[in-house]
Amino acid sequence: KAGVTQTPRYLIKTRGQQVTLSCSPISGHRSVSWYQQTPGQGLQFLFEYFSETQRNKGNFPGRFSGRQFSNSRSEMNVSTLELGDSALYLCASSLSGLASDTQYFGPGTRLTVL
Amino acid sequence: DQQVKQNSPSLSVQEGRISILNCDYTNSMFDYFLWYKKYPAEGPTFLISISSIKDKNEDGRFTVFLNKSAKHLSLHIVPSQPGDSAVYFCAATLSGTYKYIFGTGTRLKVLA
Repeated sequence: KAGVTQTPRYLIKTRGQQVTLSCSPISGHRSVSWYQQTPGQGLQFLFEYFSETQRNKGNFPGRFSGRQFSNSRSEMNVSTLELGDSALYLCASSLSGLASDTQYFGPGTRLTVL
Repeated sequence: DQQVKQNSPSLSVQEGRISILNCDYTNSMFDYFLWYKKYPAEGPTFLISISSIKDKNEDGRFTVFLNKSAKHLSLHIVPSQPGDSAVYFCAATLSGTYKYIFGTGTRLKVLA
């Protein structure tokens, strides 16, 4: 069974630009969560989607948005990039998002904002 | 407000000895706790979890202990192996919120 895939793996953007990251969950998984990882901050929860609906959202500005498609694939978008947005963005999928479901993480997208 | 804290950024242990990684949380409503391991250039991998109705869960060399009154959980690895060298994250969630709060991680180095 293929794991969680994220594209692209690396991205370099400049301040003010926008970026779209993609996540393909494990086949059959309907819950997708996104996290931002920065040094010293651990993984910060961005949002969670299930059946194309956002069920929860972290404490990030409105520049961060996401969506989920009917095939469970998910995208996140960051508009008006700032230097502080440089981070590793991870997505994780699980069957239904229940606490007892195992979350499987992708390798992440490394975003660098210059 | 960091609701889940891992106060030790790093830990070194000799091969064969016990590794103990600690995690504290502030929200008494959390009812499910997890540990993940992360190698460089890879996403975190699930290790072990525990529900708040239990105080211990074991899986091979890994045991997680939960002390609800102290709002503290720990991961014990016995015996430690060089391949266990990685960053370990604890996480907590409240069932039904679909939101996981992660600690900042502890880098474990197992010395051969």
